[in-house]
Amino acid sequence: EIVMTQSPATLSVSPGERATLSCRASQSVSSNLAWYQQRPGQAPRLLIYGASSRATDIPARFRGSGSGTEFTLTISSLESEGFAVYYCQQYNNWPLTFGGGTKVEIK
Amino acid sequence: EVHLVESGGGLVQPGRSLRLSCAASGFTFDDYAMHWVRQAPGKGLEWVSGISWNSGRIDYADSVKGRFTISRDNAKNSLYLQMNSLRGEDTALYYCARDLGPARGESCPEYWGQGTLVTVSS
Repeated sequence: EIVMTQSPATLSVSPGERATLSCRASQSVSSNLAWYQQRPGQAPRLLIYGASSRATDIPARFRGSGSGTEFTLTISSLESEGFAVYYCQQYNNWPLTFGGGTKVEIK
Repeated sequence: EVHLVESGGGLVQPGRSLRLSCAASGFTFDDYAMHWVRQAPGKGLEWVSGISWNSGRIDYADSVKGRFTISRDNAKNSLYLQMNSLRGEDTALYYCARDLGPARGESCPEYWGQGTLVTVSS
């Protein structure tokens, strides 16, 4: 199975600042990479699919990039609802696999 | 509006079985692949199993292979997960999720239910 590794585990950011999250795959997943946001007590929400396409109703401040084995999620200006845990997931091969998550916390 | 409602969770002893169900509405169920994803308390997300629109493609995480069985009934707009030989490490919130699509294809989970809690303990 493909192993997904996210870094950092925790990111401390001030409101209004930019956050940059990384995700690495153990082998190429082409552009078959998704990003999810999970707030406490809520189900995950799909943010990005195809490495860079925003899902329905996702604001433009969320931007995904990368292909192959290296991917980035950039949140251009963090608002209160952006402080959450973010997961990447590859869907190039079954079984699908998630990264361990990056917690974005208020600095 | 897409709506997914999981049921069937509860407290079960190690070694016993449990069957989870997911009732789907608001979309053409038999057009989409479906997934089960779980989250142990305080931990990350783990994909458990997936099934294509016509059940022609099925797969499992290594951690559940041989113990869990996914199935769907397109006539009833329902997804199931039969869980046998349960272990303590299966304790988690189990989410049902609809695939992003395209119709009759497979990609990633898009819409998620609120989950059903499975606790395996004696």
